[in-house]
Amino acid sequence: DAGVIQSPRHEVTEMGQEVTLRCKPISGHDYLFWYRQTMMRGLELLIYFNNNVPIDDSGMPEDRFSAKMPNASFSTLKIQPSEPRDSAVYFCASRGRSYEQYFGPGTRLTVT
Amino acid sequence: AQSVAQPEDQVNVAEGNPLTVKCTYSVSGNPYLFWYVQYPNRGLQFLLKYITGDNLVKGSYGFEAEFNKSQTSFHLKKPSALVSDSALYFCAVRDSGNTPLVFGKGTRLSVIA
Repeated sequence: DAGVIQSPRHEVTEMGQEVTLRCKPISGHDYLFWYRQTMMRGLELLIYFNNNVPIDDSGMPEDRFSAKMPNASFSTLKIQPSEPRDSAVYFCASRGRSYEQYFGPGTRLTVT
Repeated sequence: AQSVAQPEDQVNVAEGNPLTVKCTYSVSGNPYLFWYVQYPNRGLQFLLKYITGDNLVKGSYGFEAEFNKSQTSFHLKKPSALVSDSALYFCAVRDSGNTPLVFGKGTRLSVIA
């Protein structure tokens, strides 16, 4: 299995631009999680899905952030408009019948 | 609410010496406990977990962890550290329901040759 796939790996954009991060979970996994990692805040859960349905989005910082999972093999996290304080590494993770979550390599976002 | 505490931001150990990375947790009901490792510019990699059974669990790369219910701890250990073990280590917990993992802030392990 290829593991969790994320794209792009790096994204540099200017303040005010729209940013879309993409994730392909491990095939057969029914849970998908989006996390954000910064030096100041550590690893924060933003939102998670079960069977493509959003279960808890209480970690989404504000309305500028949105996430979708149109099917079992694809999810997006969108930031519109982006701000410098959104600069972070964004991780996607998935979980199946086993108890552990498997993480993708992350997308490093820099907003200038 | 679930929570994890990793009391040490940084642990330094000489190569060949035993290492311990500490973790305490708080959860309602039975805990599911995990350790992950993160190397620079990489995602988190699963090391080991405790769900039930033997309190000493063994994982990848020679790591093990001991579950202590009375002390609500789940410390990560390795008998002989390698320089290549230098990384950021995260402890995580969830309850027995289908909730997401809650992570600690991480402990940076530095193994010195």
